[in-house]
Amino acid sequence: GQQLNQSPQSMFIQEGEDVSMNCTSSSIFNTWLWYKQEPGEGPVLLIALYKAGELTSNGRLTAQFGITRKDSFLNISASIPSDVGIYFCAGTSGNQFYFGTGTSLTVIP
Amino acid sequence: NAGVTQTPKFQVLKTGQSMTLQCAQDMNHEYMSWYRQDPGMGLRLIHYSVGAGITDQGEVPNGYNVSRSTTEDFPLRLLSAAPSQTSVYFCASSVQGWNQPQHFGDGTRLSIL
Repeated sequence: GQQLNQSPQSMFIQEGEDVSMNCTSSSIFNTWLWYKQEPGEGPVLLIALYKAGELTSNGRLTAQFGITRKDSFLNISASIPSDVGIYFCAGTSGNQFYFGTGTSLTVIP
Repeated sequence: NAGVTQTPKFQVLKTGQSMTLQCAQDMNHEYMSWYRQDPGMGLRLIHYSVGAGITDQGEVPNGYNVSRSTTEDFPLRLLSAAPSQTSVYFCASSVQGWNQPQHFGDGTRLSIL
């Protein structure tokens, strides 16, 4: 089945640094979404992207829908300790919905 | 404001036992879905429903059944549990469609011995 590949798999960064992660797929996606999951909880939507080339921000977070519609990236500027968690890309392809494999972020104070 | 409520939070089963995971939402959302989350694999869609009386298969439906008799409830049934179904199960709902924000429950941790 479809698999969204996220990279990097994990990141350890110093507080204040910027973070960049991306997601690629083998097929075209109609929608890209980015979620954050904290331990013991379900994912929470951060940003939704609806068309190729779209660049959207939510506070310190910025995400883009790739021109080829097969990729997306998420940037976090000036990281803080509460950014810790697992970040998932997700999207729609056909009538199905898929999640990426996740990027685990650790912020060192 | 309960949102999406999943019960139980934890469960241990023996191979071959059956069980129903409960999911209820109080937001009058049309879309509801079930995912399983395994280490290193993200969340995978099991079954989903676009409204009461309508269900469809996701990426990994085998071994699971669902029904949607009301807008509020979307139970997931394991007919004969297998160790490969050990996972964390999440239920989610959205107003309408995948591109709308999905509200997730806190998950059910299921172990099959």
